[in-house]
Amino acid sequence: GDSVTQMEGPVTLSEEAFLTINCTYTATGYPSLFWYVQYPGEGLQLLLKATKADDKGSNKGFEATYRKETTSFHLEKGSVQVSDSAVYFCALLGNTGGFKTIFGAGTRLFVKA
Amino acid sequence: DGGITQSPKYLFRKEGQNVTLSCEQNLNHDAMYWYRQDPGQGLRLIYYSQIVNDFQKGDIAEGYSVSREKKESFPLTVTSAQKNPTAFYLCASSPDFGNSPLHFGNGTRLTVT
Repeated sequence: GDSVTQMEGPVTLSEEAFLTINCTYTATGYPSLFWYVQYPGEGLQLLLKATKADDKGSNKGFEATYRKETTSFHLEKGSVQVSDSAVYFCALLGNTGGFKTIFGAGTRLFVKA
Repeated sequence: DGGITQSPKYLFRKEGQNVTLSCEQNLNHDAMYWYRQDPGQGLRLIYYSQIVNDFQKGDIAEGYSVSREKKESFPLTVTSAQKNPTAFYLCASSPDFGNSPLHFGNGTRLTVT
């Protein structure tokens, strides 16, 4: 079945450092891919999305590119802030059989001032 | 502002008691979902509803029940049959099923002792 694997955390960075959180997926067909963010004590919020190969999703300085050849959707940000500290979830929405959103385990990010 | 309201934020129950978690949305979304989140794990789908008066089991439905009598409401009952009910429960909705990103509430943390 469909699955999402993302790098284990926690990831600890200093303010203004470059961020990469790796995400790879397994799916039949052509899924849509998402990054969600969860701040402490809250639900998840959609951060960005991409619906087809080579699409780049971007929002609030975060970017991720849908790479079908490597089945990847890595999250990047050029300069992180303390306020980016949160848990980041990679997810896919398949378009064959089930049509359910599948989430990775989440990666916790700590940004130090 | 439109959104999803989950109440209460914290809930405490004794083992052997059933408990119902509330989820209300004013986004006019057709589809609604319940997820369970445990530390270090991704989100696992409990139940989902594509439309009023219809719902299906997700991946971990045992020990849970739902109803969808109104478009805006999707309450989840955690029964005494659920072996390990202590968790963070997230309700979500989407305009339609299988074709859109999810909107989440802020969750209910259930502790059963």
